[in-house]
Amino acid sequence: DAGITQSPRHKVTETGTPVTLRCHQTENHRYMYWYRQDPGHGLRLIHYSYGVKDTDKGEVSDGYSVSRSKTEDFLLTLESATSSQTSVYFCASGTGMQAFFGQGTRLTVV
Amino acid sequence: QQQVKQSPQSLIVQKGGISIINCAYENTAFDYFPWYQQFPGKGPALLIAIRPDVSEKKEGRFTISFNKSAKQFSLHIMDSQPGDSATYFCAASRRYTGNQFYFGTGTSLTVIP
Repeated sequence: DAGITQSPRHKVTETGTPVTLRCHQTENHRYMYWYRQDPGHGLRLIHYSYGVKDTDKGEVSDGYSVSRSKTEDFLLTLESATSSQTSVYFCASGTGMQAFFGQGTRLTVV
Repeated sequence: QQQVKQSPQSLIVQKGGISIINCAYENTAFDYFPWYQQFPGKGPALLIAIRPDVSEKKEGRFTISFNKSAKQFSLHIMDSQPGDSATYFCAASRRYTGNQFYFGTGTSLTVIP
């Protein structure tokens, strides 16, 4: 998985609570991404980053925020978790040509 | 709005047969078309990719065919094996411009021994 680590791998949280997912890469990649994967929808981009402190919204960014204070770390925060945010979240990093994915975080909001 | 449309949703092929997965896109600014393979419990892994200046790319048993005028591309898996059973995603992106990858909805491939 090209040196990309996601934590936690599994999490159950309650509706209305904030949740932060972490992504760490050791490849010195400029680009980093957060995707969610849901049946019938494939992988949908939440937010992405093209450098430290440079981030932008993807196609399903509502209810999510991100931060990138170091090249290697990209955090995804669910500001107030809802049941519709139950999903598998994937972090990826890349060179601008290819994207390499982590193992995923399964998040359940109850 | 789905930027990349993928079909079929699922596919069952006999061992030794050919698996074909199709994708279509609308945005002519896309200039990089990768295919990813995902096994259960794992993240997607890059399988093969093509740029629009070529019509075909082959790597082992995997071939991408690209039709720029029709805005379509497809993955062919020759001599399909049970170990190829996985979910396959096509994707499209614009290189070096934020490089957002847009994915198809995935195809679940089962290769029967």
